[in-house]
Amino acid sequence: EAGVAQSPRYKIIEKRQSVAFWCNPISGHATLYWYQQILGQGPKLLIQFQNNGVVDDSQLPKDRFSAERLKGVDSTLKIQPAKLEDSAVYLCASSLVQGWYEQYFGPGTRLTVT
Amino acid sequence: DQQVKQNSPSLSVQEGRISILNCDYTNSMFDYFLWYKKYPAEGPTFLISISSIKDKNEDGRFTVFLNKSAKHLSLHIVPSQPGDSAVYFCAAKTGANNLFFGTGTRLTVIP
Repeated sequence: EAGVAQSPRYKIIEKRQSVAFWCNPISGHATLYWYQQILGQGPKLLIQFQNNGVVDDSQLPKDRFSAERLKGVDSTLKIQPAKLEDSAVYLCASSLVQGWYEQYFGPGTRLTVT
Repeated sequence: DQQVKQNSPSLSVQEGRISILNCDYTNSMFDYFLWYKKYPAEGPTFLISISSIKDKNEDGRFTVFLNKSAKHLSLHIVPSQPGDSAVYFCAAKTGANNLFFGTGTRLTVIP
C-alpha cells in the first residue's frame, strides 16, 4: 500500500512570494489533514477535510493560507504572501474516516522563507 | 496554550536498557492518547495508543502507561535498540476531534 505522498520535499522562497504544496493521501482515506510543524514544536493542525468538505479550519490563517481538496482525493495548500514565520515543515496526513485515531503522515515539505 | 507537554527535549539511554519517555496533559476531556515516532526527513509514524479507560497497553517492546489522576502518560521501551533513536511525540484527542501533539522528545540509544 502506497503511503501519503507530498511534493515538493523542500522549498526556499523570499518573503511576500507565494508557494503551493501538494498532497496525495492513501487511497480510500476519506479524511485529510494539513499540519504545520515549526522547529522544536509538535505538529499543529491547520485544516481538516472530510472527502472534499472542510471539517475544521479554525487554526488556518485565512488571510494568507488557503487549501482545497478537489474531488475528495488530492489536496493543495497555498501560502500567499509568505512571511518569515511561515518557515516550517508542512505535513499532510490521512485517515480512513473522520475521528479515527491513527493518522498516516507524509514525509512533509520543508519551507524556508528568507 | 499547550495542552500536551513533553518536558524533556532529549533522552540518552544505553542499548539494552529501558527508555522512559514522559508526557503530561491538561485537558481532562482527552479520551485517547497516542505515541508517534519520527525519523529525520520523514513524517511521524504511529507507534502505540491507549484509551482513557485503560491504564496500560503493551505491544512488544513498547508499553504505554496512563495515570489519569495525574494527567500523565509514559512510554517504556525495553530493551532499547539503536534503531529506536528518533523523536517521539505524544498526542491526545477527544472523541472525533483532532490530535494535539506535544513538542517531542529526542531519544538517542547509545550502542
